[in-house]
Amino acid sequence: GAVVSQHPSWVICKSGTSVKIECRSLDFQATTMFWYRQFPKQSLMLMATSNEGSKATYEQGVEKDKFLINHASLTLSTLTVTSAHPEDSSFYICSALYRDRRSSYNSPLHFGNGTRLTVT
Amino acid sequence: GQSLEQPSEVTAVEGAIVQINCTYQTSGFYGLSWYQQHDGGAPTFLSYNALDGLEETGRFSSFLSRSDSYGYLLLQELQMKDSASYFCAVSSGGYQKVTFGTGTKLQVIP
Repeated sequence: GAVVSQHPSWVICKSGTSVKIECRSLDFQATTMFWYRQFPKQSLMLMATSNEGSKATYEQGVEKDKFLINHASLTLSTLTVTSAHPEDSSFYICSALYRDRRSSYNSPLHFGNGTRLTVT
Repeated sequence: GQSLEQPSEVTAVEGAIVQINCTYQTSGFYGLSWYQQHDGGAPTFLSYNALDGLEETGRFSSFLSRSDSYGYLLLQELQMKDSASYFCAVSSGGYQKVTFGTGTKLQVIP
């Protein structure tokens, strides 16, 4: 259980275009979704935290007008990289968690398989 | 803000035991978790500690000391497939955002 599906798994786009990445929780309702970016041989850097029906909370240094996050439902969040540039090329990973009703504890993060974005 | 520190690389022999340490600084701490990531793949959850002490899950165990802001991941009976990067991560804040450490690249050798 607790499967997160992320699409596309890879995308190549031209500089100046926009790219949308989808993240879906397939068998649970995600209380919160997170978007991370990972450059080669580096750690995962949190970009933003997204709750259904509310605006995403962006980490310091992440441009909210460039990385548009929409969390329309409890099972779907999207990240749109607008006017992409070569420096935006990276591995983008979404994750989701749910709150256990009985314990009130949050579940661990469940990750999508990531999207490798290459901007030419 | 949050900061986490881990050793960058560890090498261990197949069948041995290895410990990966993690120290952290954060406000609003909820818990410490560990994730494994193979090259080119997404992270997968290994273990989580919200309270002090040892949590055991098969060959993997994780320890937390909240007073020392310290934890470790213990891998026993190492296998070649355990070669991967291991990240500690803290959950903190109202939405319990998860911040990852710098990662430790484990190489298991025959």
